[in-house]
Amino acid sequence: QKEVEQDPGPLSVPEGAIVSLNCTYSNSAFQYFMWYRQYSRKGPELLMYTYSSGNKEDGRFTAQVDKSSKYISLFIRDSQPSDSATYLCAILTTGFQKLVFGTGTRLLVSP
Amino acid sequence: ETGVTQSPTHLIKTRGQQVTLRCSSQSGHNTVSWYQQALGQGPQFIFQYYREEENGRGNFPPRFSGLQFPNYSSELNVNALELDDSALYLCASSLPLAGGNTGELFFGEGSRLTVL
Repeated sequence: QKEVEQDPGPLSVPEGAIVSLNCTYSNSAFQYFMWYRQYSRKGPELLMYTYSSGNKEDGRFTAQVDKSSKYISLFIRDSQPSDSATYLCAILTTGFQKLVFGTGTRLLVSP
Repeated sequence: ETGVTQSPTHLIKTRGQQVTLRCSSQSGHNTVSWYQQALGQGPQFIFQYYREEENGRGNFPPRFSGLQFPNYSSELNVNALELDDSALYLCASSLPLAGGNTGELFFGEGSRLTVL
């Protein structure tokens, strides 16, 4: 079993749709959760960072963590074509700062 | 404040050769990590350097080695290149997860290595 599971997609939505991206993880000791956005042939860009259960909102983006279910989500409201990218969930292990990534979900937002 | 910069951006090597990739960390960040991202996959942790010492390593063979310099910049060296080493190599810098720091990692644009 992979430590972090993520549906690779692609996920295609029309402009303005609400997008839901999800990951599950296996180790209940994980405490720090991140979402990165990666455009084609670019490095990952940190979008959201959270370390507790519940919701964290930043503009059109909401990150949600449910530690009891070991489930993390990223919601994008009013999606735009510029949101078309691969979204990577990542979990930061303590001890030393190692990120464990999901495979990434490719999102396509059509005008 | 400058971000993480990596060089070269692209390079092509043949099997058996050696490669050195370079990374300058974000200003003030003393921890540097390297990741390998194969096509269609998430990045995989190679190793991390803090204060010029390797303090964590992923499941990569010894032919993957690194250095960190006093100015916190870093190098990734790969010997005896194999076809499967073709990937995007990402460098990330951060502050240690302690003393109120959140441990967020910031990535460079990567070095795309093709092994023929």
